[in-house]
Amino acid sequence: GEDVEQSLFLSVREGDSSVINCTYTDSSSTYLYWYKQEPGAGLQLLTYIFSNMDMKQDQRLTVLLNKKDKHLSLRIADTQTGDSAIYFCAESMFDTDKLIFGTGTRLQVFP
Amino acid sequence: DGGITQSPKYLFRKEGQNVTLSCEQNLNHDAMYWYRQDPGQGLRLIYYSQIVNDFQKGDIAEGYSVSREKKESFPLTVTSAQKNPTAFYLCASSIAANQPQHFGDGTRLSIL
Repeated sequence: GEDVEQSLFLSVREGDSSVINCTYTDSSSTYLYWYKQEPGAGLQLLTYIFSNMDMKQDQRLTVLLNKKDKHLSLRIADTQTGDSAIYFCAESMFDTDKLIFGTGTRLQVFP
Repeated sequence: DGGITQSPKYLFRKEGQNVTLSCEQNLNHDAMYWYRQDPGQGLRLIYYSQIVNDFQKGDIAEGYSVSREKKESFPLTVTSAQKNPTAFYLCASSIAANQPQHFGDGTRLSIL
């Protein structure tokens, strides 16, 4: 079945790196996404990776994909207070055109 | 500026009333989606449309209806049959099916 799991909470000091992890169960996913949600707002697409890639880097963001373990991670370098938000990972299913979302990880950045 | 506009930002429903949430996009995207978000949970798909005049049910379509008469518009009606409508509703669009989805700012629906 389809299931995406994330840890609920992560707290880091400003300037440190943050690593948010996600595991998924369906091996037929095509893209894997990371979205950011600030309080009361919609979801902002941060980055995504095609399922045949291992890594993608975009400025402070690094996505790592381990297909064998069905594990996705998002690393944020030099974390800032403005990075405090809920981060969702999601996988897309080629045959149904729908996104399966995790429950989100709340990132808190303290000075 | 191109984007996805949802309105209203806040909406209140009385018992037995139908309400309609608006979603408009000027990105020239073919596909549009409606999701529901409950506290502490991820998003769940209500309905989606890959092309004008066509739409499919998602995982939780009961108590909701949609239409797709124009490419840029995908309104969602929450009917009185939806017994637990209080949630945050998010609309998304993508250039085509199975492409990255971009979201609006959401509508928060509450029961009076």
